[in-house]
Amino acid sequence: GAVVSQHPSWVICKSGTSVKIECRSLDFQATTMFWYRQFPKQSLMLMATSNEGSKATYEQGVEKDKFLINHASLTLSTLTVTSAHPEDSSFYICSARRGGSPLHFGNGTRLTVT
Amino acid sequence: QQPVQSPQAVILREGEDAVINCSSSKALYSVHWYRQKHGEAPVFLMILLKGGEQKGHDKISASFNEKKQQSSLYLTASQLSYSGTYFCGTGNQFYFGTGTSLTVIP
Repeated sequence: GAVVSQHPSWVICKSGTSVKIECRSLDFQATTMFWYRQFPKQSLMLMATSNEGSKATYEQGVEKDKFLINHASLTLSTLTVTSAHPEDSSFYICSARRGGSPLHFGNGTRLTVT
Repeated sequence: QQPVQSPQAVILREGEDAVINCSSSKALYSVHWYRQKHGEAPVFLMILLKGGEQKGHDKISASFNEKKQQSSLYLTASQLSYSGTYFCGTGNQFYFGTGTSLTVIP
């Protein structure tokens, strides 16, 4: 089956620093990648959608200058949380799809900003 | 844009049945269903692509009413392993529903 690898699994950083999260589709070419954020006991909230080679489409209320998304190739997308603050602490999860296929998820990254 | 699910939470005894509903205020062209265990990524259950479609696997099935912009997930003879949070999802910019927490107790 389709495998999506997300790294790191968890990260603890100090307030004001930047954190990069990688999402790779290992055995298929993803035409679209999605980034979600999930707070405890809540649903997965879409942050942005990215297509290879084009700029990410951010959801309303998501700061594009704070959450930098790069979709450099059909197998790699990165999310950089810049100048992280404690309120950015959350579970970030990526997913990838090819065409209209089901989404394949990474295992998520738990970000804790101290 | 986020589909609304009901109920928000349900507790079942092993062997009981449950129905989870997903309603959208926008037209639905396809519906996905996922289950997420605590601290893990969602796992794909099934996708419904056409209005009127029904499908199932093991004792979990789903239906899609395109006209009513609704989908329902049916869990029959529930097992302990069914516990988790269930999400429907839809759209090109894929939006998840509000989620339904399902707990199966012995």
